[in-house]
Amino acid sequence: DVKVTQSSRYLVKRTGEKVFLECVQDMDHENMFWYRQDPGLGLRLIYFSYDVKMKEKGDIPEGYSVSREKKERFSLILESASTNQTSMYLCASSLPSGRFGTGELFFGEGSRLTVL
Amino acid sequence: QKEVEQDPGPLSVPEGAIVSLNCTYSNSAFQYFMWYRQYSRKGPELLMYTYSSGNKEDGRFTAQVDKSSKYISLFIRDSQPSDSATYLCAMSRVNTNAGKSTFGDGTTLTVKP
Repeated sequence: DVKVTQSSRYLVKRTGEKVFLECVQDMDHENMFWYRQDPGLGLRLIYFSYDVKMKEKGDIPEGYSVSREKKERFSLILESASTNQTSMYLCASSLPSGRFGTGELFFGEGSRLTVL
Repeated sequence: QKEVEQDPGPLSVPEGAIVSLNCTYSNSAFQYFMWYRQYSRKGPELLMYTYSSGNKEDGRFTAQVDKSSKYISLFIRDSQPSDSATYLCAMSRVNTNAGKSTFGDGTTLTVKP
């Protein structure tokens, strides 16, 4: 089974702190993604990566950065956390679509971040 | 206006009921249509997908796509308490990275014993 592991399930940070969210997948997937999920706003794509050291902005990249030094690991960084970044953060991975059908997304269990 | 609108719910039904979950969309380029299920405090998991129009059945679940009306549905027959979850519809264009799918906001379903 594909497994996407997010390092922290629950975090509480203070405004201005630097926050690292780590994600590891074990299925050799090329693509990895970071989303945030908020009530009434659904899933919104923050950043994604289709290869090591490659990244692209999603719909809401402001205030975030990412790092992908190894194929299996994709990190989300909040350089200076703010209260409006309190949210559920979901990491996902997939094979490329087209060659392998829909390119099903495999999600981690989420990291709930509270910024005080 | 959002590209994908999902019936907001929440929805509460008795065990054994037939459930209909629905999404409408505005982008005619969407060709892949997915339904993800998300249990409380878990990440979403793919439940069903269809390509283009038509129906697809998997056990108690049926996914239906009507491209002429830009309307998709997920039907759950003989609903069970274990079906209690949030259901997210998602759509994407052909040759588009799956992670760039457009998601609905989700409908929370509770099936009462």
